[in-house]
Amino acid sequence: KNEVEQSPQNLTAQEGEFITINCSYSVGISALHWLQQHPGGGIVSLFMLSSGKKKHGRLIATINIQEKHSSLHITASHPRDSAVYICAVWGSQGNLIFGKGTKLSVKP
Amino acid sequence: GAVVSQHPSRVICKSGTSVKIECRSLDFQATTMFWYRQFPKKSLMLMATSNEGSKATYEQGVEKDKFLINHASLTLSTLTVTSAHPEDSSFYICSASRGGPMYEQYFGPGTRLTVT
Repeated sequence: KNEVEQSPQNLTAQEGEFITINCSYSVGISALHWLQQHPGGGIVSLFMLSSGKKKHGRLIATINIQEKHSSLHITASHPRDSAVYICAVWGSQGNLIFGKGTKLSVKP
Repeated sequence: GAVVSQHPSRVICKSGTSVKIECRSLDFQATTMFWYRQFPKKSLMLMATSNEGSKATYEQGVEKDKFLINHASLTLSTLTVTSAHPEDSSFYICSASRGGPMYEQYFGPGTRLTVT
């Protein structure tokens, strides 16, 4: 079992839909990142969080430390949101562990 | 926002040669830089963490003599793939942060290496 599990692996949505991507981890962590990777390969760091909730525009990230679970929400999704979303955790041993990513396609 | 550049964006080299990839933080001082590789349709894999002025810390399974990392200044880190082989062909990405794991990471655009 991977230490960082993301679900779903693939997600297709219609423009305007509310989207949730989940990340569960099995190790103790000091921080969790949500990253966005576009088809060309470029990566953008969306959020880094260690507790609670953060919001940036249409994106919301939450983390529940007790349940070892984080979610990334996209409200009013748009085709330009199509990308691979990656959850990564900094383990308490100083190691960085990536999920396999969720490929999101938003259709117009 | 903070900008990180990588050069070159694409490189093709012959087996046995060495290739150097540069990672620069353009508008901030990067105390820590990270190097990743990504195989097709796979997730990122952290190769090493480098702090300015000190030796890089390599992840388990990454050969330090093959992947030479230098972080000589607060704005530049280099990754040299020595004696490259076709299996080294990959997408190499760097990121930079003002501090350690608890700081925001800013990613470079990546370098596509093809070894023939």
